[in-house]
Amino acid sequence: DQQVKQNSPSLSVQEGRISILNCDYTNSMFDYFLWYKKYPAEGPTFLISISSIKDKNEDGRFTVFLNKSAKHLSLHIVPSQPGDSAVYFCAASVGNTGNQFYFGTGTSLTVIP
Amino acid sequence: KAGVTQTPRYLIKTRGQQVTLSCSPISGHRSVSWYQQTPGQGLQFLFEYFSETQRNKGNFPGRFSGRQFSNSRSEMNVSTLELGDSALYLCASSLVAGFDEQYFGPGTRLTVT
Repeated sequence: DQQVKQNSPSLSVQEGRISILNCDYTNSMFDYFLWYKKYPAEGPTFLISISSIKDKNEDGRFTVFLNKSAKHLSLHIVPSQPGDSAVYFCAASVGNTGNQFYFGTGTSLTVIP
Repeated sequence: KAGVTQTPRYLIKTRGQQVTLSCSPISGHRSVSWYQQTPGQGLQFLFEYFSETQRNKGNFPGRFSGRQFSNSRSEMNVSTLELGDSALYLCASSLVAGFDEQYFGPGTRLTVT
């Protein structure tokens, strides 16, 4: 059973506009969430994380929002750039250390110049 | 500093055979985790090793096993290969623990025919 879901397999956005990638989870025990970016032929690269004590975390153009009641998180990229074109994975775990965590199936973002 | 390296990068095996994949973490990193990536399931956690001990294990059958050596290098073994084992196998290393500190290798693409 997929505990972390990314229901949109792909997303296309114009350069300069906002990209919003969504992620839903089912396990209410999850309290740590991460986003990874993956280019073809490379391993995933950590992008940004958030713990459940916060509802927003910002790092430059990237902001992650967490809605615990809805078991939903989203990644906002503003402004989107062509170099942001990649597959984005969200992941969730119970705690940040020494625990198994679960990835979504990924959303392929294409930023159109 | 060299990144995480995985060998081989590509592998073709026949059903019923066994395979061993290798991962060399970033120098100084003591934690190594393995993941399986398939189109339908996304990234799934296999296991994590820290100081030669398996700390966590995902929900995979016993045909999947691993080990870590004293120099932190890790190997993953899959016995009695099945067609469904065809996937990209990713290894990630971290200094101690904490998923946002993980660095992924490029992966080994295993094809089972």
